[in-house]
Amino acid sequence: GNSVTQMEGPVTLSEEAFLTINCTYTATGYPSLFWYVQYPGEGLQLLLKATKADDKGSNKGFEATYRKETTSFHLEKGSVQVSDSAVYFCALSDTGTASKLTFGTGTRLQVTL
Amino acid sequence: DSGVTQTPKHLITATGQRVTLRCSPRSGDLSVYWYQQSLDQGLQFLIQYYNGEERAKGNILERFSAQQFPDLHSELNLSSLELGDSALYFCASSVDVNSPLHFGNGTRLTVT
Repeated sequence: GNSVTQMEGPVTLSEEAFLTINCTYTATGYPSLFWYVQYPGEGLQLLLKATKADDKGSNKGFEATYRKETTSFHLEKGSVQVSDSAVYFCALSDTGTASKLTFGTGTRLQVTL
Repeated sequence: DSGVTQTPKHLITATGQRVTLRCSPRSGDLSVYWYQQSLDQGLQFLIQYYNGEERAKGNILERFSAQQFPDLHSELNLSSLELGDSALYFCASSVDVNSPLHFGNGTRLTVT
């Protein structure tokens, strides 16, 4: 079956530091890949997505590239801010559909001044 | 604000009881999804409805059921509640099955 593995948190960084959150996946076919962010007390929000190999999703300074050869979709940001503190979820969906998302366990990011 | 409304925000009930969680999708969204988020299981897909019909089923227990009504709102019914059912239950909606999901803020269920 499908599965997503994320690096364990929490990740603690100083403001303006470089962020990498690793995500690898196992899936049949050609899944779509997503990063969702969950701020305290809120639901998940779509951060970015990529639907095919070598696609790069980007939003709000965050980027992730769909690497089929390494089955990875690592999240990166060049300079984090305190407001980026949240839980980040990597997810995949079955081919051609956004339903039945399979999520990773989430990585908590804490950014300090 | 995602546009997805879930009620109630918090629910505390006893073991063996039955509760109903309600979700109003974003205007225009036909598809509704239910997810359970717990500390030990993470985020688990429960069930999906599209325009009133069940579309996909995930790890949903037989004690749980859901439906989507003609006005497209959805309800998740949890019965014979156990301590282990304590979790955050999220509803999400999308325009169609190929579009990204928009999540509500969740209902936190505590079973005592």
